[in-house]
Amino acid sequence: ETGVTQTPRHLVMGMTNKKSLKCEQHLGHNAMYWYKQSAKKPLELMFVYNFKEQTENNSVPSRFSPECPNSSHLFLHLHTLQPEDSALYLCASSQDRGLGLNEQFFGPGTRLTVL
Amino acid sequence: GQQLNQSPQSMFIQEGEDVSMNCTSSSIFNTWLWYKQDPGEGPVLLIALYKAGELTSNGRLTAQFGITRKDSFLNISASIPSDVGIYFCAGRSNTGKLIFGQGTTLQVKP
Repeated sequence: ETGVTQTPRHLVMGMTNKKSLKCEQHLGHNAMYWYKQSAKKPLELMFVYNFKEQTENNSVPSRFSPECPNSSHLFLHLHTLQPEDSALYLCASSQDRGLGLNEQFFGPGTRLTVL
Repeated sequence: GQQLNQSPQSMFIQEGEDVSMNCTSSSIFNTWLWYKQDPGEGPVLLIALYKAGELTSNGRLTAQFGITRKDSFLNISASIPSDVGIYFCAGRSNTGKLIFGQGTTLQVKP
C-alpha cells in the first residue's frame, strides 16, 4: 500500500466509448503524474500536475484529457481511443515537482484494453 | 533524448543465487533510483542514490551510484522466490526529469 489508489483496476472499452480513470493520493503530496506502461518499453511520462496546474504534456494525443481538481485527485478522461492505446496506466505522486529529494510513489495502475 | 540502457532484459536464476543488473546512460544524472514492480501492481521504490560513488543497502539489496554519474547497478544477494518481478532503474537529470530504463524481468526457480 503506497498511499496512491487507482480505479478501476481493469477497463475494457470500445473505440467509440468515453471512460475516465481516477487516481487519489493520501500522502499530502502536491505533484501528480500519469504514465503509460507498454510491454517491453520504458515508462512513458504523459502528464505532470504541480499544485493543480499542468506543467508537462509530453506530446500526448488529445484523445487523452487529464483533469486535476485538487492536489489529491487526478483523472484521465479517455475518448475515441485506438487499440494501440491498450496498456497499463500508472498514476504517481510526489511532494512537489522540485529538484530535491522528491521521489514518486506509484499507484497499482489501471489495465486498459481497447477493442 | 536521454535514454537509459538497462541490462540484462531478463534473468532466470536458481533460488539462493546472487543477481546483478545495471543501467548505463550517455548523460549525467543527479539521482539514481531502483524500483520493483510485482505482477499486477505499480512500481515500488527500493533504493534511492543521490551522490556519485554512494553505496546503499536495503536488506539483501545493494545499489551503487557510479563515479561517472552515468551508471548504476543493483545487486540482490541470496535470491528468494518473492524477488520475482520487474526491476526498473530511473535517473533524474539536472532538469528534474525522471527517465526510466526498460526493466529487468527476474524469475527465481525454487
